[in-house]
Amino acid sequence: AQSVTQLGSHVSVSEGALVLLRCNYSSSVPPYLFWYVQYPNQGLQLLLKYTSAATLVKGINGFEAEFKKSETSFHLTKPSAHMSDAAEYFCAVSVLGTYKYIFGTGTRLKVLA
Amino acid sequence: DTGVSQDPRHKITKRGQNVTFRCDPISEHNRLYWYRQTLGQGPEFLTYFQNEAQLEKSRLLSDRFSAERPKGSFSTLEIQRTEQGDSAMYLCASSALAGVVDTQYFGPGTRLTVL
Repeated sequence: AQSVTQLGSHVSVSEGALVLLRCNYSSSVPPYLFWYVQYPNQGLQLLLKYTSAATLVKGINGFEAEFKKSETSFHLTKPSAHMSDAAEYFCAVSVLGTYKYIFGTGTRLKVLA
Repeated sequence: DTGVSQDPRHKITKRGQNVTFRCDPISEHNRLYWYRQTLGQGPEFLTYFQNEAQLEKSRLLSDRFSAERPKGSFSTLEIQRTEQGDSAMYLCASSALAGVVDTQYFGPGTRLTVL
């Protein structure tokens, strides 16, 4: 069975600082991995996805994530935080042949001025 | 706007009442999903349609819940005899399988409050 663990339910960074949101997955078969962002009272917006084509994935709004099979990780990073990045971020996993996503519990990012 | 839409955005109801939510997927997306998100948690899968066929229902979906997707277009999720524990955000997503990855696009959600 697949699962996702997001370490740190709350992360605070200063504006302009590096953003690092952690995601570790568990899967017995090669996974597909996704990061979504959710602003208050809104649905989820896709940031980026890993589909086995390249281990470093670039997404929207300057975010990127690196798939590390040896560490079973797919951490999300952004070099310089902006106030508009304040939101909740969810990591999700699915595998070939399935359709439902398994989501982590989310990390709420706070950006300090 | 060609994204996934949901109606209503907010619903407040009294315990024991029935409620129905609607989801309109992205045009030509043949797959449609319902998820439930409670406070402080990630979305949890409820059910999945391919065209008009409901192919899987989670054990989270008690017999008070029913979902339909007539004609393979919009979908409705009905909750009968609502309970306070049903209070949550109900999210709809749609996708069209392209390549090997099924990328789901989410709507804005319907927030249900059961008093």
